[in-house]
Amino acid sequence: SYELTQPPSVSVSPGQTARITCSGDALTKKYAYWYQQKAGQAPVQVIYKDNERPSGIPERFSGSSSGTTVTLTISGVQAEDEADYYCQSSDTTESYRVIFGGGTKLTVL
Amino acid sequence: EVELLESGGGLVQPGGSLRLSCATSGFSLRDYAMTWVRRPPGKGLEWVSTISGSGHYTYYADSVRGRFTISRDISKKTVFLQVSSLRTEDTAVYYCAKEDAVVGLTSFDHWGQGTLVSVSS
Repeated sequence: SYELTQPPSVSVSPGQTARITCSGDALTKKYAYWYQQKAGQAPVQVIYKDNERPSGIPERFSGSSSGTTVTLTISGVQAEDEADYYCQSSDTTESYRVIFGGGTKLTVL
Repeated sequence: EVELLESGGGLVQPGGSLRLSCATSGFSLRDYAMTWVRRPPGKGLEWVSTISGSGHYTYYADSVRGRFTISRDISKKTVFLQVSSLRTEDTAVYYCAKEDAVVGLTSFDHWGQGTLVSVSS
């Protein structure tokens, strides 16, 4: 069955670049989406269709895709970017369901 | 402006039931699928259920199929999640999310603030 795998945690200093990966077989057939969830808040979509940025999302957020892996890149990380990040895709072949990765805690040192 | 407002959560004993509601505004439920996602304490996001914009198709996670039912009332602009036979592992914040297409199982461009369901004796 399709699963999405993310690293549990990533740590960077302010101003550096953070890269969060998400791997899974589903990503060769379906788009990936990324969500940011800050403590006590609802999730917010930061990337859609692998590499598109919704309006209102800062340009420092970008997405890329290669084979079975997608990557969320945050350039020039700011303290306010500290949050949990989730990748998401779907499975409409083996079964009809939405798939979330396990989430990555981004810590800004 | 799209707005989603969940309600109906609370403390319930194992085996009990609740009806969660998601009041919507700023779009038509006929044009977009709607989804419930939950986040258990200390864990990540988990997809629960989706209803298509047509209302003809509903989808459920294996962990809730047969116990939860998603529905909607177009006239009230509200989506519901009837949660029954609750288990302690159903404890979570439940979020209502609007999808970006009518068909469902795509992605979520707007989210509500969530409603907490606690299952405990």
